[in-house]
Amino acid sequence: AQSVTQPDIHITVSEGASLELRCNYSYGATPYLFWYVQSPGQGLQLLLKYFSGDTLVQGIKGFEAEFKRSQSSFNLRKPSVHWSDAAEYFCAVGAGAGNMLTFGGGTRLMVKP
Amino acid sequence: NAGVTQTPKFQVLKTGQSMTLQCAQDMNHNSMYWYRQDPGMGLRLIYYSASEGTTDKGEVPNGYNVSRLNKREFSLRLESAAPSQTSVYFCASTPLGQISTGELFFGEGSRLTVL
Repeated sequence: AQSVTQPDIHITVSEGASLELRCNYSYGATPYLFWYVQSPGQGLQLLLKYFSGDTLVQGIKGFEAEFKRSQSSFNLRKPSVHWSDAAEYFCAVGAGAGNMLTFGGGTRLMVKP
Repeated sequence: NAGVTQTPKFQVLKTGQSMTLQCAQDMNHNSMYWYRQDPGMGLRLIYYSASEGTTDKGEVPNGYNVSRLNKREFSLRLESAAPSQTSVYFCASTPLGQISTGELFFGEGSRLTVL
């Protein structure tokens, strides 16, 4: 069965600074990988996804993520964080068509002015 | 443009009481899901309905039942609530066969407290 680990429970960055959120997965084959964002009091919204091909994927709100097979990682990045990016971020892995998503425990991002 | 609507948004129950969480989507999606969210544990799948007329257990189904009332509606029932069921519950939907695309559409959540 697949699993997802997000090592950082909380991260605080200054507005305008760069951001990297870590995600490690466990799965025997090439997984489908996702990042979701949850703003306070809201449901989750898909930021980006990776299925195959180019290992650097672009998402909404200026986010990108890079799939590194050798490290079983799918880290989320943003060059310059805005105060509105404060939220909780979830990495998820799917094992293909018909398989359910497995979510990581989440990373809560706080942005200092 | 409602998307996925959950009711109620907040509920407090006593141990042993029953209740039903309602979910409706207006996007003509075939598949619907119920997740629970607990601190540090991400979202865990309780039950899902791949299409109207079918339901299946997810990762943590014990203590819950579901009903896919029609294509739009998917309800989650707690027959005898326990403090361990204190959580935030999310309903989600996606077009049939699209679970692999990962694009789940979520409701805003229902916060349940069991005393």
